[in-house]
Amino acid sequence: QVQLQESGPGLVKPSETLSLTCNVSGGSITTYYWNWIRQPPGKGLEWLGYIYHSGSTKYNPSLKSRLTISVDTPKNQFSLKLNSVTAADTAVYYCLAGDYATDAFAIWGQGTMVTVSS
Amino acid sequence: DIQMTQSPSSLSASVGDRVTITCRASQNIVRFLNWFQQKPGRAPKLLVYAASTLQTGVPSRFSGGGSGTDFTLTISSFQPEDFGTYYCQQSYNTPRTFGQGTKVDI
Repeated sequence: QVQLQESGPGLVKPSETLSLTCNVSGGSITTYYWNWIRQPPGKGLEWLGYIYHSGSTKYNPSLKSRLTISVDTPKNQFSLKLNSVTAADTAVYYCLAGDYATDAFAIWGQGTMVTVSS
Repeated sequence: DIQMTQSPSSLSASVGDRVTITCRASQNIVRFLNWFQQKPGRAPKLLVYAASTLQTGVPSRFSGGGSGTDFTLTISSFQPEDFGTYYCQQSYNTPRTFGQGTKVDI
């Protein structure tokens, strides 16, 4: 059973870059496509983007080119970088697996809280 | 972007109640609609995909229906562990979008 674990700093200063990594265990990174979603405190869910194991990506236009998602197949990891962060980027960030057959978000990491503050 | 609108925003249910949550898409999404349940402090859990297919391990009291723009999630007999916030999400195109959520308490 594939499991996901996010890691990265819990506090980022305004205007700096938020960097998170998702470690994939229990299966191959080629089995699913890989997504990031975030949830501001007390609010709903926002899809940020996805990457295929081939490296092909799709991003939410709302992030205005601040977002980069990358994959490291040998390490079974994928990563998110969000630059020029503001307080509005404060959220729980989830990494998750998208199933190619059903196109559903089948497997989620536990989430990691990132606060943007000086 | 496809807008997803859920109703109601919140509801209270008693054990044994039949509970129905509605999700409306701003355009035709065929049956590319998924439902999630989220409990406080936890990641969302996939309940239903492709509008009506129950994810493995999800109790059969949950069911999904609809197509086009109008969809429903029904709990046939509400159980205490079914509290939480329910979200619909379209997988028709990108950006993937979610409904605002329906908070269900006892």
